[in-house]
Amino acid sequence: QQQVKQSPQSLIVQKGGISIINCAYENTAFDYFPWYQQFPGKGPALLIAIRPDVSEKKEGRFTISFNKSAKQFSLHIMDSQPGDSATYFCAAVSGGYNKLIFGAGTRLAVHP
Amino acid sequence: NAGVTQTPKFQVLKTGQSMTLQCAQDMNHNSMYWYRQDPGMGLRLIYYSASEGTTDKGEVPNGYNVSRLNKREFSLRLESAAPSQTSVYFCASSVGLGYNSPLHFGNGTRLTVT
Repeated sequence: QQQVKQSPQSLIVQKGGISIINCAYENTAFDYFPWYQQFPGKGPALLIAIRPDVSEKKEGRFTISFNKSAKQFSLHIMDSQPGDSATYFCAAVSGGYNKLIFGAGTRLAVHP
Repeated sequence: NAGVTQTPKFQVLKTGQSMTLQCAQDMNHNSMYWYRQDPGMGLRLIYYSASEGTTDKGEVPNGYNVSRLNKREFSLRLESAAPSQTSVYFCASSVGLGYNSPLHFGNGTRLTVT
């Protein structure tokens, strides 16, 4: 069973809208939560990450919201652009990058 | 900089054949990884090498072997390919295992086993 559950599987957003991708986890030992972005034909690349001692982290148009008590975290993409169309993976880890657990991924399409 | 280079980009094997996927990084990273990506499953760690001279199993190691040839190169071998190994394989590297050293991925090898 997946230790990190990601939803939705796919998402269509109009240009300028807000894209929201959600993830949930069970293992309370997880202490680092990165998001990776993957374009077709490419490998994933780190987008943004958060530690559980903060509830929100913002980098440009990308924001992670973290709810430790609910064991949930989400990625918000403000003012979504067609160039944001990609697959997004949430992940969680404890004890080092060799134990990184990925969600199943969300395919985002931003329509002009 | 090339970053992480994987070869080949595509490969078709028959069941029972063997092959080696090659990976090289030019970022002087200490740690290297092999992941497989399957629809609806995300990425799953097959093997990793924390530093030159060491290798360890990840989440799904069965049917695979690895070799850390030197600091730059980390290869993945399928000794007897099975259809269940049809997947996209990604090599990645990082400075170390700490959270301040994110993974840098190659562009993948798409493997089909018939």
